[in-house]
Amino acid sequence: EIVLTQSPGTLSLSPGERATLSCRASQSISRSYLAWYQQRPGQAPRLVMFGASRRPTGIPDRFSGSGSGTDFTLTISRLEPEDFAVYYCQHYGSGNTFTFGQGTKVE
Amino acid sequence: QLQLEESGPALVKPSETLSLTCNVSGGSIRSSNHYWAWLRQPPGKGLEWIGSIYYSANAYQNPSLKSRVTMSVDTSRNEFSLRLTSVTAADTAFYFCARHAYLEGNWFDPWGQGILVTVSS
Repeated sequence: EIVLTQSPGTLSLSPGERATLSCRASQSISRSYLAWYQQRPGQAPRLVMFGASRRPTGIPDRFSGSGSGTDFTLTISRLEPEDFAVYYCQHYGSGNTFTFGQGTKVE
Repeated sequence: QLQLEESGPALVKPSETLSLTCNVSGGSIRSSNHYWAWLRQPPGKGLEWIGSIYYSANAYQNPSLKSRVTMSVDTSRNEFSLRLTSVTAADTAFYFCARHAYLEGNWFDPWGQGILVTVSS
C-alpha cells in the first residue's frame, strides 16, 4: 500500500507570501493519479489540482502543481486570506485503492 | 451547477447500522463518466475513502470496511445511499458524498457539505 507523507505539518505564512506544500509517496506513482484538495474550517474539501498539475475550472492561477515519481508539490504563489486552510494530497492506486496524505495546515 | 447533499441520522447507537443518503441536484446521477463516492473524516483527523458506486449499481469499497459497507443507487430519485453495519465509536465522523471522476484520474469533485454522525449510546 502506498503511503503519502505531507510536509510540513503546518506552514505559517502571511498574505502575499508563497506557500510550497510537499507530498511524498512511499513508491513511485503516476502523476495522473495525484490530486490536491483544500479544506477550509467547517467546510468540505474542494479539489484544487488533479493529474498533479491540472487546475479545475474556477481555481485561481496562483495555484500550481508539479512533480513526478515520488515527489509532488502544490504551490500557492501569493497567499490570499481565503487560502489559509488545510491541504490534502490524494492518490489512486492499483486495486482500486485511494490514499490521502495527513494534511498540511497553512496558517 | 452540480450539488450534493447528505442526509440521515446524526446519532447512531453502537452495534447498529448507519444509513445515509446523498441527493444529487443540478445534474444526473446517470453519468457515464462518473461514479459516486462516500468518504469520511473523524473530527480533527484526515480523510478516508469508503466506497464508490456507479449508476448501474456496480460498486467497490475500501477493503478495510468492505465487510460492513453496502451502497445502493436510486436513479429515479437521483440519489445514492450508504449503509455501514455494526458501528462503533471509531465510526464517529463527518461523512461526505462526492462525485468520483474515474475516467481520467480518480478524484472527487464536488463534495457535499458533510454530515456529522456520532456513534454513542
